[in-house]
Amino acid sequence: GQNIDQPTEMTATEGAIVQINCTYQTSGFNGLFWYQQHAGEAPTFLSYNVLDGLEEKGRFSSFLSRSKGYSYLLLKELQMKDSASYLCAVRDSNYQLIWGAGTKLIIKP
Amino acid sequence: IAGITQAPTSQILAAGRRMTLRCTQDMRHNAMYWYRQDLGLGLRLIHYSNTAGTTGKGEVPDGYSVSRANTDDFPLTLASAVPSQTSVYFCASTERGGGADTQYFGPGTRLTVL
Repeated sequence: GQNIDQPTEMTATEGAIVQINCTYQTSGFNGLFWYQQHAGEAPTFLSYNVLDGLEEKGRFSSFLSRSKGYSYLLLKELQMKDSASYLCAVRDSNYQLIWGAGTKLIIKP
Repeated sequence: IAGITQAPTSQILAAGRRMTLRCTQDMRHNAMYWYRQDLGLGLRLIHYSNTAGTTGKGEVPDGYSVSRANTDDFPLTLASAVPSQTSVYFCASTERGGGADTQYFGPGTRLTVL
């Protein structure tokens, strides 16, 4: 079966760095997405990786290793507004998106 | 408006009742999707439409139906609601079909079936 694993919850301190991991086992691979979802709101797009390596976008970076079935989202200079759930999703060989359950990130002052 | 709108924002429904959740987008995107989101589970695809006039079944289609009469609207109907359909429902769209693009989500409908 297809599976995406993320930690359920993480806690970090304002101004620090946090890494959210995502491992996947899917039928084929056609890209990996990270979305941010604030409580009670819709998911919004953060990043997309299809080739191995690091994609940087401001305070957020996303890394992919296809051989290891592994990605991480790195958030730097954490701000209170970064408190949210972070969803990992993989596009399989049929171009269907398979979603992880999300990681709830709690930022403490 | 710009983006995707959903209605109603929330609804409490008696089991056995029929309910239609509305979704409208003004981005002229070809593809639209309906997901449900339950605590501890990832988003699960209910139905999708790659282009106006076509629809397809997702991971959890039972108890739900959709139609796509035009590009902008993609309503989701629960013919006879059951308590297990209590969930938050998100409509989404992509510019092209086939899951090739970034998904844009509506604000969601919180549905409670009693």
